[in-house]
Amino acid sequence: DARVTQTPRDKVTEMGQEVTMRCQPILGHNTVFWYRQTMMQGLELLAYFRNRAPLDDSGMPKDRFSAEMPDATLATLKIQPSEPRDSAVYFCASGLVLAGLSTDTQYFGPGTRLTVL
Amino acid sequence: GENVEQHPSTLSVQEGDSAVIKCTYSDSASNYFPWYKQELGKGPQLIIDIRSNVGEKKDQRIAVTLNKTAKHFSLHITETQPEDSAVYFCAAPPSGGSYIPTFGRGTSLIVHP
Repeated sequence: DARVTQTPRDKVTEMGQEVTMRCQPILGHNTVFWYRQTMMQGLELLAYFRNRAPLDDSGMPKDRFSAEMPDATLATLKIQPSEPRDSAVYFCASGLVLAGLSTDTQYFGPGTRLTVL
Repeated sequence: GENVEQHPSTLSVQEGDSAVIKCTYSDSASNYFPWYKQELGKGPQLIIDIRSNVGEKKDQRIAVTLNKTAKHFSLHITETQPEDSAVYFCAAPPSGGSYIPTFGRGTSLIVHP
């Protein structure tokens, strides 16, 4: 049963510290999404990769957030420096986009619950 | 870009009743409409989806209907059970080659035993 995995599941850190979240997409998938979920804002898209190339990061605060895919099996989301307002659950999702289809199912990971004190 | 509105934001029903959640979208070219269920402490998981070439799709107690003319689609859950309690999200993709769906704000469904 293929699944998206995320580490860590929970992270508590102090303001100003660097935070790195990791995601392993489902093998064979060619899209990766990073979302942030809060009660107030719902699911916010932070970044979108297709075939490891970043195609959309317009929802991501550029001054402190960065997202990368060093290889097809790993996506990372980094916050430096972290702030209390970054406290949220961060989800990674992967999918498979084929030519001719506008979109396909997203498979979400279990999330990383980040608390910045 | 796509605008998706989801109603209601909360829905409380008695076990055995039916529940209906509705989403409207703005881009008439959208052609794929998934519904996700998010249980407490977990990520959203796909429960049913529909493509624009059909008007209805059923899977046991859940069904999705699509009205392309009116640009809305609905999730129907019959014979609700306490384990159906969760947050449900609809999504619709924008057109123009972007593969990034727009999610609704979510509906918190509570099924009382």
